[in-house]
Amino acid sequence: AQTVTQSQPEMSVQEAETVTLSCTYDTSESDYYLFWYKQPPSRQMILVIRQEAYKQQNATENRFSVNFQKAAKSFSLKISDSQLGDAAMYFCAYRRANYGGSQGNLIFGKGTKLSVKP
Amino acid sequence: DSGVTQTPKHLITATGQRVTLRCSPRSGDLSVYWYQQSLDQGLQFLIQYYNGEERAKGNILERFSAQQFPDLHSELNLSSLELGDSALYFCASSPRTYNTEAFFGQGTRLTVV
Repeated sequence: AQTVTQSQPEMSVQEAETVTLSCTYDTSESDYYLFWYKQPPSRQMILVIRQEAYKQQNATENRFSVNFQKAAKSFSLKISDSQLGDAAMYFCAYRRANYGGSQGNLIFGKGTKLSVKP
Repeated sequence: DSGVTQTPKHLITATGQRVTLRCSPRSGDLSVYWYQQSLDQGLQFLIQYYNGEERAKGNILERFSAQQFPDLHSELNLSSLELGDSALYFCASSPRTYNTEAFFGQGTRLTVV
């Protein structure tokens, strides 16, 4: 079974600084997707960034980028120029590819609570 | 706004009772997923429906059941509720297209007292 591990329950960053959140996963499959979701106090689950396992290039979305190391099964999230609005729980998630023609379910890590200090 | 609507937003009920949570997926989305978020278990997948048919089951208790209707909305039924069922229940939807992510509703906060 696939598992996702986030080893940092809490992280803190100064506003405008850079922070990296760690995620490792375990799978025997070669094709899959990885995601980072943000959950602010409003509870809404917001997709931050996604990475396809077959792509070697790391995904980037504005101030958010990932370091995807397939061999090491590592998928970290870097947030640059941190803003107060980035304070939230961040969840790393895994999804199998080619799941019977429909979309597979997500497997989540336990989350990392990010605080941003002004 | 993700386009996924969940009702109600909050629900307080007593142990032993039965409740129904409702989810309206984004327009055109055929897949609906239900997840439970609790403090001790984190975010766990419960069940998936695709175009009206059950497609996958996760850690869903026998006291829980779900269905997806012809108009594609879905309902999650929780019965014989226990204190430990108190959690945030999310619905997510995704289209049929191959490589797309799931979009989450705002969740239903269930409190069992």
